[in-house]
Amino acid sequence: DTEVTQTPKHLVMGMTNKKSLKCEQHMGHRAMYWYKQKAKKPPELMFVYSYEKLSINESVPSRFSPECPNSSLLNLHLHALQPEDSALYLCASSRVGQYNEQFFGPGTRLTVL
Amino acid sequence: GQQVMQIPQYQHVQEGEDFTTYCNSSTTLSNIQWYKQRPGGHPVFLIQLVKSGEVKKQKRLTFQFGEAKKNSSLHITATQTTDVGTYFCAGPRDSNYQLIWGAGTKLIIKP
Repeated sequence: DTEVTQTPKHLVMGMTNKKSLKCEQHMGHRAMYWYKQKAKKPPELMFVYSYEKLSINESVPSRFSPECPNSSLLNLHLHALQPEDSALYLCASSRVGQYNEQFFGPGTRLTVL
Repeated sequence: GQQVMQIPQYQHVQEGEDFTTYCNSSTTLSNIQWYKQRPGGHPVFLIQLVKSGEVKKQKRLTFQFGEAKKNSSLHITATQTTDVGTYFCAGPRDSNYQLIWGAGTKLIIKP
């Protein structure tokens, strides 16, 4: 199974809401990533988990809170977001190390009103 | 800071014409990866180049990695409608090996 799944596909939330994005992979990958992608831009790295531990936080605001409950799951908890946080949120996974390709999920299209 | 630059931003071609996108890094890269993102889709890994001067082919796609390992190109021969999308190059950052992405080149087939 070479698939990364993400739920939900679309999410609309108000600035006072709390929501969570979910990601799952069953490829045995021990590196998992959250990216944010704005229209006509490349993916922008937010967080990296390596062996279920947060290894990189790219200075992301605290209104985004990642969680890695186990080696197959990755969550992104959202709270008090701003309209400029509207974007496509992509989850990816890979083997650990710099020579490994990343497998992306289909993404969650987030709109913050 | 370390950068990966990619040109052109867009390329409009007639179906059957060739397409090329170029990537240039500010530093020597250990490897470079190429991804394709279809409209409304997510990035999909195409290939990784590791060796200086490496050339790899996938059907109509030819990927090159420069001798100095600072530049790369993707060439598509005789484009088809299925080739439409944005092509990204990405190389590992020196500090933490995370990917630095080029801005992408959008391939548009003229009607």
